[in-house]
Amino acid sequence: AQSVTQLDSQVPVFEEAPVELRCNYSSSVSVYLFWYVQYPNQGLQLLLKYLSGSTLVKGINGFEAEFNKSQTSFHLRKPSVHISDTAEYFCAVSRTGANNLFFGTGTRLTVIP
Amino acid sequence: DAGVIQSPRHEVTEMGQEVTLRCKPISGHNSLFWYRQTMMRGLELLIYFNNNVPIDDSGMPEDRFSAKMPNASFSTLKIQPSEPRDSAVYFCASSFTGIGHNEQFFGPGTRLTVL
Repeated sequence: AQSVTQLDSQVPVFEEAPVELRCNYSSSVSVYLFWYVQYPNQGLQLLLKYLSGSTLVKGINGFEAEFNKSQTSFHLRKPSVHISDTAEYFCAVSRTGANNLFFGTGTRLTVIP
Repeated sequence: DAGVIQSPRHEVTEMGQEVTLRCKPISGHNSLFWYRQTMMRGLELLIYFNNNVPIDDSGMPEDRFSAKMPNASFSTLKIQPSEPRDSAVYFCASSFTGIGHNEQFFGPGTRLTVL
């Protein structure tokens, strides 16, 4: 089975500072990896995904993530955050070609003016 | 495309009443998922369907919960009887499942309050 660990439940960061949200996964088979964002009172929205190929994946809103197979990690980064990035971020994993995703517990990013 | 559509967006009911949540997936998608989100337990997968067939319902809390997908464009999640601890936001998501194509698209959610 697959599982995801998001090490930080809350991350406060000042506006225009860089941020990294950590995600580690566990799986004995090949996986797909995803980051979703949830703004207040909304559903989850896909930020980016890793399926295969280049380990550096770029997503919407200036976010990127790097797949590191040896460290079983898929950390999310942004070089300069905005107030509008304040939201909950979820990392998710699935077995390649499988139906369901396994979500982490989420990291609440708060951008401080 | 309108995305995943859920109704109602908000539901307030009294303990013991039946509650039905509705979902219309994105056209062409072959998998549908029901999630529940609470502060205490986070995001939980309740059940998912593939080609209208329930594949895994191990996340359904108890017999009070039931889900159906009579066709590719409609699904319901029913709670009968409802209890205050069922208060949560319920999300429906859909995806086209295949090699390289299984990201899920979420609806806006139904906020359920059971008094």
